[in-house]
Amino acid sequence: NAGVTQTPKFRVLKTGQSMTLLCAQDMNHEYMYWYRQDPGMGLRLIHYSVGEGTTAKGEVPDGYNVSRLKKQNFLLGLESAAPSQTSVYFCASSYAGDGNQPQHFGDGTRLSIL
Amino acid sequence: GQNIDQPTEMTATEGAIVQINCTYQTSGFNGLFWYQQHAGEAPTFLSYNVLDGLEEKGRFSSFLSRSKGYSYLLLKELQMKDSASYLCAFLDSNYQLIWGAGTKLIIKP
Repeated sequence: NAGVTQTPKFRVLKTGQSMTLLCAQDMNHEYMYWYRQDPGMGLRLIHYSVGEGTTAKGEVPDGYNVSRLKKQNFLLGLESAAPSQTSVYFCASSYAGDGNQPQHFGDGTRLSIL
Repeated sequence: GQNIDQPTEMTATEGAIVQINCTYQTSGFNGLFWYQQHAGEAPTFLSYNVLDGLEEKGRFSSFLSRSKGYSYLLLKELQMKDSASYLCAFLDSNYQLIWGAGTKLIIKP
């Protein structure tokens, strides 16, 4: 059972380039999330989805777009990368959004923007 | 507004007990989570409290006081593998998790 899988694990981009981060889960979870984790700060929610075909903005959505075309996949796109987007990105999923259902995390994507 | 606070770093000795505190302020609360995160790895779920009191899971226990906006994670019989960051997060009125910056726990032999 793979759980939550993120690709790629590492990536270096130049300012202005675009890329897509992929997240796949095999637990049949309805909810999926994208976070960024920066030193000295808590995880911050970028976008999330409560089901196939739906997306919503989180705390820090600017500069990112997402899509959830299939229940098992949640894609995060950077349209024009900026150095401020250098971070570790985590995808997570949960069966539902309430407290009884903890979020399960992927191993992260370490992204550097030069 | 909402905020959550936990110590940046703590040090403890192998075999000892350590308590990691977390305080929060929010107008809407739907429970508090603790996660463990080893360096360079994903956060993994440890515990969830929604009612006041202590929840025990083996060597780990978590306590919640909603009236005080306070939680702690208690780790007993510390092992070297417990060296990690411990993240607390509360579920707000929109059922979104608000995360603390994490407490880095260093275990010394």
